[in-house]
Amino acid sequence: GQQVMQIPQYQHVQEGEDFTTYCNSSTTLSNIQWYKQRPGGHPVFLIQLVKSGEVKKQKRLTFQFGEAKKNSSLHITATQTTDVGTYFCVPIKAAGNKLTFGGGTRVLVKP
Amino acid sequence: DAGVIQSPRHEVTEMGQEVTLRCKPISGHNSLFWYRQTMMRGLELLIYFNNNVPIDDSGMPEDRFSAKMPNASFSTLKIQPSEPRDSAVYFCASSLGLVPYEQYFGPGTRLTVT
Repeated sequence: GQQVMQIPQYQHVQEGEDFTTYCNSSTTLSNIQWYKQRPGGHPVFLIQLVKSGEVKKQKRLTFQFGEAKKNSSLHITATQTTDVGTYFCVPIKAAGNKLTFGGGTRVLVKP
Repeated sequence: DAGVIQSPRHEVTEMGQEVTLRCKPISGHNSLFWYRQTMMRGLELLIYFNNNVPIDDSGMPEDRFSAKMPNASFSTLKIQPSEPRDSAVYFCASSLGLVPYEQYFGPGTRLTVT
């Protein structure tokens, strides 16, 4: 079956520093979605990547889909306290109908 | 625009009682999903509907759990009888369709079963 690993599970980041979370799949994906969940909140859709090698930016967030469509990354520049939360990468298979959320990366920001 | 609406936001009940969680999806969305989130198990998909029809309920943990969607603007998740291990945050999400459409989550219902 499809295995998707997101690393790291936890990340303590000093405010102002950059960090990256990675999502690696054992099989080729159709698409990948990213969600963010703030502490005590609900998951919020951030972005969807579809094309091989695709790079999309949202202000300080940069999302990338690997050339082989087996991995993805989220890079945050100059981390702020508002970036605190859990970031989920959600893989989508070609014939899939539902989303499967993994454990995500929990980000804590030290002011 | 109103997002996904869930009620109640918090529910505390005693073991053995029936619990009903409610969800109003975003108008115009055809698909609705029920999730459960705990620290131990993360975010789990319980059941989802498309055009008010249940498509996959393989995530429903036991027969004590049931879900209905009588119309496009309302869904319920019922637990009868409730048990302490059902304590979790239950999210409802809706989308324009099935994958790969993005999902919009409601604020969740925090259920505590004592």
